[in-house]
Amino acid sequence: DGGITQSPKYLFRKEGQNVTLSCEQNLNHDAMYWYRQDPGQGLRLIYYSQIVNDFQKGDIAEGYSVSREKKESFPLTVTSAQKNPTAFYLCASKAGGFTDTQYFGPGTRLTVL
Amino acid sequence: GDSVTQMEGPVTLSEEAFLTINCTYTATGYPSLFWYVQYPGEGLQLLLKATKADDKGSNKGFEATYRKETTSFHLEKGSVQVSDSAVYFCALSAHDRGSTLGRLYFGRGTQLTVWP
Repeated sequence: DGGITQSPKYLFRKEGQNVTLSCEQNLNHDAMYWYRQDPGQGLRLIYYSQIVNDFQKGDIAEGYSVSREKKESFPLTVTSAQKNPTAFYLCASKAGGFTDTQYFGPGTRLTVL
Repeated sequence: GDSVTQMEGPVTLSEEAFLTINCTYTATGYPSLFWYVQYPGEGLQLLLKATKADDKGSNKGFEATYRKETTSFHLEKGSVQVSDSAVYFCALSAHDRGSTLGRLYFGRGTQLTVWP
């Protein structure tokens, strides 16, 4: 079945450590997105990418980094510079062109202790 | 800039009650509008969408009509079930200036709880 996978589902890290969240899609979608979800805040865009080796900052990119070396993969690194990293992280993708519907993965809940 | 405002929750209803969750938007251009649903501990699932004014999106008994004159996209269902308990997000699509890559703007979400 085609879809988006995120791993792991739960992740615990000590304060000051960098951590990388995985996002893989086999939908052959061109664009990929990372969102952060906090209670009562809705979803906020961190980074997005239209093609391999190209990505753009979203609304809350500070303290995060991404790479897009393969079309199907868009990992997100939460660095020690992110002041409040504990959150639910969602990855999404969409087909290219004028298509605007995004499809979401199951999410990773990151807890920084 | 582009934004979405949706009704704050939580909303609590009895089974078979009528549901309305209000959503209004601000946008330049002509965005597509979406409702997504999120069940506990999961990602978002597309519930319905509408791409132009007066379009009605529908799915699983839910409906929403794209109203350009009132800049609204209210979600309705005639008879809710316990299984509809979830968080509902309204969203619009837009392109940031200078970018060909579309993005979504989300409302804050509305928690719906349906009791038997």
